[in-house]
Amino acid sequence: DQQVKQNSPSLSVQEGRISILNCDYTNSMFDYFLWYKKYPAEGPTFLISISSIKDKNEDGRFTVFLNKSAKHLSLHIVPSQPGDSAVYFCAASGGQAGTALIFGKGTTLSVSS
Amino acid sequence: GAGVSQTPSNKVTEKGKYVELRCDPISGHTALYWYRQSLGQGPEFLIYFQGTGAADDSGLPNDRFFAVRPEGSVSTLKIQRTERGDSAVYLCASSHGVGEGYEQYFGPGTRLTVT
Repeated sequence: DQQVKQNSPSLSVQEGRISILNCDYTNSMFDYFLWYKKYPAEGPTFLISISSIKDKNEDGRFTVFLNKSAKHLSLHIVPSQPGDSAVYFCAASGGQAGTALIFGKGTTLSVSS
Repeated sequence: GAGVSQTPSNKVTEKGKYVELRCDPISGHTALYWYRQSLGQGPEFLIYFQGTGAADDSGLPNDRFFAVRPEGSVSTLKIQRTERGDSAVYLCASSHGVGEGYEQYFGPGTRLTVT
């Protein structure tokens, strides 16, 4: 069973608009959440993270929101740029998973100019 | 500075053969992780080393898979009697420490194809 779920396989957004990528998790013991970005033929690149004691973390154009009661997190990118086009993975760690990252299946973001 | 490197970048092998995949972590990173990514899936955890010892090998799918990190730096993932289902991209990651704030940095992966 998938402990980290990204239910939207793809998302298309126009340049300059906001991109919102969503992620749900089932394991309440997770205490650290991360977003990674992946370009073809490259490994995932760390983007932003959030601890379970926070509900928001911001880094430039990227903001991650965490709703623990709903077991939901989202990544907001604003404004979106064509270079943001990539696969975005949500990941979680903690509890029985320890330091291992449990990944979702990813969402492919396409930003058109 | 240099990132995580993995060799080979591509490996094609016949079913039943033995393969070794190598990972060079970022210098000074004590933690090293192996993940496997199948088509259309996210990376799946295999094993994690802290220094030379395997701190968590709960993700290894069966006893055909084995990994070592004898000097606490380079690691080798070994797969015996390969099967077609082993075909995937094998990713290595390293981090300076473990826990919050110690992000894992990934290499480009080794694409393994078992024919």
